[in-house]
Amino acid sequence: KAGVTQTPRYLIKTRGQQVTLSCSPISGHRSVSWYQQTPGQGLQFLFEYFSETQRNKGNFPGRFSGRQFSNSRSEMNVSTLELGDSALYLCASKFGSPYEQYFGPGTRLTVT
Amino acid sequence: DAKTTQPNSMESNEEEPVHLPCNHSTISGTDYIHWYRQLPSQGPEYVIHGLTSNVNNRMASLAIAEDRKSSTLILHRATLRDAAVYYCILRDTPSSEYTGGTSYGKLTFGQGTILTVHP
Repeated sequence: KAGVTQTPRYLIKTRGQQVTLSCSPISGHRSVSWYQQTPGQGLQFLFEYFSETQRNKGNFPGRFSGRQFSNSRSEMNVSTLELGDSALYLCASKFGSPYEQYFGPGTRLTVT
Repeated sequence: DAKTTQPNSMESNEEEPVHLPCNHSTISGTDYIHWYRQLPSQGPEYVIHGLTSNVNNRMASLAIAEDRKSSTLILHRATLRDAAVYYCILRDTPSSEYTGGTSYGKLTFGQGTILTVHP
């Protein structure tokens, strides 16, 4: 079974631009969560989608948004990029088990 | 989410056992203890979880104190591939999660323990 895939793997954007990141969960998994990882703040929860509905949201500004499609694939969008948005963005999926989440390799976003 | 405390770093030699401690003195009765690890340049990877009893799987063992205020992840024979950041996470599991109606995917990561394994 293929793992969680994220595209693109690397991205360079300039301040003020917007960006869309994509995540394809493991086949059959209906929950997708997004995390931001930076050296200063560590791993921080952004939001979770389940059955195309946002179920939980972390403490991030409204510039960060996401959505989930009927096939469980998910996208996250960051508008009006700031230098501080440079980070590794990780996506995780799970079927319904409360225990195991499977993480993708992440998208490395650099904002210049 | 209840808070966990882990040492910043630990070192081990290859093929020796490693005991990674985690303190969680404010744990509640419904908090599960989860361990994830993150290898260099990869996303986190699930290791093991438990509630009250000690747990074993192919990757590791989890020893939980009787009062549940601390736990220890045990790698029985460390390999170079085990060099990673290990995260101890407490997560409440609402009963509704078992019905499949909702799903709680939020994990609150701390700073974790950086494990270095020497050849």
